[in-house]
Amino acid sequence: AQSVSQHNHHVILSEAASLELGCNYSYGGTVNLFWYVQYPGQHLQLLLKYFSGDPLVKGIKGFEAEFIKSKFSFNLRKPSVQWSDTAEYFCAVRKAAGNKLTFGGGTRVLVKP
Amino acid sequence: NAGVTQTPKFRILKIGQSMTLQCTQDMNHNYMYWYRQDPGMGLKLIYYSVGAGITDKGEVPNGYNVSRSTTEDFPLRLELAAPSQTSVYFCASSRTSGTNNEQFFGPGTRLTVL
Repeated sequence: AQSVSQHNHHVILSEAASLELGCNYSYGGTVNLFWYVQYPGQHLQLLLKYFSGDPLVKGIKGFEAEFIKSKFSFNLRKPSVQWSDTAEYFCAVRKAAGNKLTFGGGTRVLVKP
Repeated sequence: NAGVTQTPKFRILKIGQSMTLQCTQDMNHNYMYWYRQDPGMGLKLIYYSVGAGITDKGEVPNGYNVSRSTTEDFPLRLELAAPSQTSVYFCASSRTSGTNNEQFFGPGTRLTVL
């Protein structure tokens, strides 16, 4: 069975700092990759997704992620965070053409003003 | 479009009680899903449905039942609530499986079993 690892459970940053969240998955076949964000008290929203093509994917709110197939990784980045980026971030993987997502354990990000 | 809606938002149950968590989507999506979210564990798939009348087990189905009589609705039933079912439950839907689609999530139901 596939699995998804997010190695950082908690990250604390100051505003304007750069953010990088790691995501590694275990499935060896073709995958679709997602990053979701959950703001406090809200439901999950899609930040960005990768299906094929350019491995550097740009999402909403200045986030981007890079798919490195050789490393089974899909790390999320933002060059300069804001207080409003305080949230929990989830990486998710799905077998290509499949319908079930496997989520990582999430990373709680706190941005101090 | 309202998207994916869930009721109730909060519920406290006693051990052994039963309840149904409601989920409705107005996007005419074929696929619907139920997840539970526990701290530090991400989301785990409980059940999913690929269309009206078709349901299948996910990763953690024990203690739950689902039905899908219409495209719009996908209720989740807890028959004998246990403390281990204390969690936040999210319903999601997607247009179809395969490439270039995403799952849309509802606002969640926070359930506490005492």
